[in-house]
Amino acid sequence: RKEVEQDPGPFNVPEGATVAFNCTYSNSASQSFFWYRQDCRKEPKLLMSVYSSGNEDGRFTAQLNRASQYISLLIRDSKLSDSATYLCVVVRAGANNLFFGTGTRLTVIP
Amino acid sequence: EPEVTQTPSHQVTQMGQEVILRCVPISNHLYFYWYRQILGQKVEFLVSFYNNEISEKSEIFDDQFSVERPDGSNFTLKIRSTKLEDSAMYFCASRTRGTSGTDTQYFGPGTRLTVL
Repeated sequence: RKEVEQDPGPFNVPEGATVAFNCTYSNSASQSFFWYRQDCRKEPKLLMSVYSSGNEDGRFTAQLNRASQYISLLIRDSKLSDSATYLCVVVRAGANNLFFGTGTRLTVIP
Repeated sequence: EPEVTQTPSHQVTQMGQEVILRCVPISNHLYFYWYRQILGQKVEFLVSFYNNEISEKSEIFDDQFSVERPDGSNFTLKIRSTKLEDSAMYFCASRTRGTSGTDTQYFGPGTRLTVL
C-alpha cells in the first residue's frame, strides 16, 4: 500500500466553486501533515499545515482524522490562481523527510 | 525573503557521465534535503543531511549518489555515472533546526536533469 494516496483528478471547477480534496496515509505512526501546492514545472510550496483540530487559512480549510488516517483540503470561492497540483504530505514519527502523494490537479475555469 | 537557490536550472548529460547539482540552502538552516520528481510522478525523498553527515536516505539513494557540503554554504548532489532513469527534476530543500520534521521545509526551484 502506498504511503500517501490521493485522487489524481483532474478537478475542473468554475470560478467561485467550492472543491474538496482527500488523502489517506498508511502509516499510523505519521505525526505531521501538510498540504503543498505545486505549479507546473515548479517547486512544491507549503500551503498549510494540518492539525487534528482542523485549521483554516482564508479560503482554505484543512482537516485531519487520525482514526481514519484521512486528510482533507477544502477550497472555497475558487480563483483562477488556485489552478495547480495540490500535494498531500506526511512525516513519519522519528523521521524528518517528507512523503508526498502523487497530487491532485485542479483547474479553475473562468 | 530568503530562499533556496539551485544551479544549474537545466543540465543535459550523456549516459555514464558524472553530474553535480548545486544548492545554496537558506543561511540559518541546518537540515538539508534532496528530493527528485520524475516527470508525471510524485516527489520522492532521496537523502537528508545534518551536522555534516547523512541522517537518512531512501532506497533510491544508492552508491551512485553522494552528497557534500564542501564550504559551509553549498550543498551538492553528485551522480557518479548517470543512467537514463536518472532524468528528473531534482529539488533541494532546507529547514531550521528542530527536533522533529514539523518545521517547514523550503524548496529550491529545482534542477532539471536530462540524461541522453
